[in-house]
Amino acid sequence: EIVLTQSPATLSLSPGERATLSCRASQSVSSYLAWYQQKPGQAPRLLIYDASNRATGIPARFGGSGSGTDFTLTISSLEPEDFAIYYCQQRSYWPITFGQGTRLEIK
Amino acid sequence: EVQLLESGGGLVQPGGSLRLSCAASGFTFDSYAMSWVRQAPGKGLEWVSVTRNSDISTYYADSVKDRFTISRDNSKNTLYLEMSSLRAEDTAVYYCARAFRSSSPYYFDYWGQGTLVTVSS
Repeated sequence: EIVLTQSPATLSLSPGERATLSCRASQSVSSYLAWYQQKPGQAPRLLIYDASNRATGIPARFGGSGSGTDFTLTISSLEPEDFAIYYCQQRSYWPITFGQGTRLEIK
Repeated sequence: EVQLLESGGGLVQPGGSLRLSCAASGFTFDSYAMSWVRQAPGKGLEWVSVTRNSDISTYYADSVKDRFTISRDNSKNTLYLEMSSLRAEDTAVYYCARAFRSSSPYYFDYWGQGTLVTVSS
């Protein structure tokens, strides 16, 4: 099973700042990695797929990069609605696995 | 508009059974693989199971294999999860999710709002 390790566990930033979230895979997943955003009481929302492609309707301030074992989600300038939990997910191998999440909180 | 509406959650005793349903609308249901993903209270996301549209192949997480059965009725645009031998650690919100694109394994582009399953005596 591919283990995805996200860091940091919690990131405290202010609106307007740049956020950088990391996801590391226990073995190469090529570019088969996605990022999701989840707000309290809501279902996850797909942000990025195949490491760097924005899903439909996702603002340009969200960007993804990486391949192999190291991936990054970048939010260029934080908006108030971006404070949430972010999960990475791989689809390179069964079983599908998720990272444990990074909580992005307002500083 | 794509909509996924889960139902069937509730309180069940350890060792008991429950069937979840997910009613889909706003897209051609039989063209998509469909999945269940769960989230224990205050915890992260855990993929549970998926059923493909093409050949009705199914896949399961080891944690639920031989206890849960995923199925679909394309005539009713409905996805199911039959859960048996339930354990306390199965307590979670269960989300129905649509697979994104056709090549497996999958990402998930649309999610329902979830249904809570509580396993407790």
